[in-house]
Amino acid sequence: EAGVTQSPTHLIKTRGQQATLRCSPISGHTSVYWYQQALGLGLQFLLWYDEGEERNRGNFPPRFSGRQFPNYSSELNVNALELEDSALYLCGGRTSSYEQYFGPGTRLTVT
Amino acid sequence: AQSVAQPEDQVNVAEGNPLTVKCTYSVSGNPYLFWYVQYPNRGLQFLLKYITGDNLVKGSYGFEAEFNKSQTSFHLKKPSALVSDSALYFCAAEGYSSASKIIFGSGTRLSIRP
Repeated sequence: EAGVTQSPTHLIKTRGQQATLRCSPISGHTSVYWYQQALGLGLQFLLWYDEGEERNRGNFPPRFSGRQFPNYSSELNVNALELEDSALYLCGGRTSSYEQYFGPGTRLTVT
Repeated sequence: AQSVAQPEDQVNVAEGNPLTVKCTYSVSGNPYLFWYVQYPNRGLQFLLKYITGDNLVKGSYGFEAEFNKSQTSFHLKKPSALVSDSALYFCAAEGYSSASKIIFGSGTRLSIRP
């Protein structure tokens, strides 16, 4: 069984640009969670999608958005990039036993 | 506001000694509690959880955690540390409503010296 995949591995953008990050969950899993891991700030919950709908979002501005496709893969979009958006973005899912699992992450660098 | 606190940014322990990584939470109700570990270049992995029942839960790699409701704590422990335990550890809490957010602590870097 393939694990969670994320692309790209690294992404370099300049301030003001838009970034698009992609995630594919484990086959058969319908939920996708997005987290931001910025240096020194731990993991911050961003978004939760399930069955194609946004179920919850963290305390992030509206320029952080996303969607989930019919095949349950997901996209995270960050508009009007700021320097402080530089971080590792993790996506993953959750088992029926409440355990979260994660992909390898996308390292976003904003210059 | 709900939160998870890991008061120590770094914990240093000699190999073979017991280790404790502290976590306290402020989440309404009876949250589910978790520990995750992030090894360099190996991503973030589930370690153990408390849902209900026995206050001492056992997880992977010989780790265990003690749930204390009165102190709202969920400290991670291991009787004898290994150098390979050196990693970044995150405590997390989740309320069990359908719209609950999962709240992570800021992480504690555990360093085990030979």
